[in-house]
Amino acid sequence: KNEVEQSPQNLTAQEGEFITINCSYSVGISALHWLQQHPGGGIVSLFMLSSGKKKHGRLIATINIQEKHSSLHITASHPRDSAVYICAVIALYGGATNKLIFGTGTLLAVQP
Amino acid sequence: KAGVTQTPRYLIKTRGQQVTLSCSPISGHRSVSWYQQTPGQGLQFLFEYFSETQRNKGNFPGRFSGRQFSNSRSEMNVSTLELGDSALYLCASSLDPGGEAFFGQGTRLTVV
Repeated sequence: KNEVEQSPQNLTAQEGEFITINCSYSVGISALHWLQQHPGGGIVSLFMLSSGKKKHGRLIATINIQEKHSSLHITASHPRDSAVYICAVIALYGGATNKLIFGTGTLLAVQP
Repeated sequence: KAGVTQTPRYLIKTRGQQVTLSCSPISGHRSVSWYQQTPGQGLQFLFEYFSETQRNKGNFPGRFSGRQFSNSRSEMNVSTLELGDSALYLCASSLDPGGEAFFGQGTRLTVV
């Protein structure tokens, strides 16, 4: 079983819909990243969370440390949001480190 | 401020050859980590450097090595290339270990 699980693996939405991507992890963590990867490969860091909730534009990320769960929400989705969204954690046992453990990603397609 | 720069962007090598990839972190960032992304295995941690010292190493054979220079620039080297080494190699930098990671565009290596 992977240490970081994401769901769904694939998601198709209509423009304007509210989207939720979930991430569950089985290890103690010091922080969790939400990353976005467009075709062509480059990865953009959307959020780094260790508790609570963060918001940036139409994106909201929440984390529940006790339940070992995080969600990424996209409000008023747009075709340009189409990408792979990846959850990655920094495990506590690693100490202060950038050794990320990745989920398998969620492929989001937003149709006009 | 310039982002993380990886060179070259694309590379084609023959089995048995060796390759060196370069990563220039964001100015002021001292921590650099490397990741391999393949369709089959997803994103996997290769190694992490801080202050010219390797702090963590992923589960990769000894053919994969790296180093970090005093200006925080990092290189990774893969010797005796195998077809399975074909992948997107991503570098990320952060101010310090455990900080928010910023990714480069990656180097796409094809081994033929």
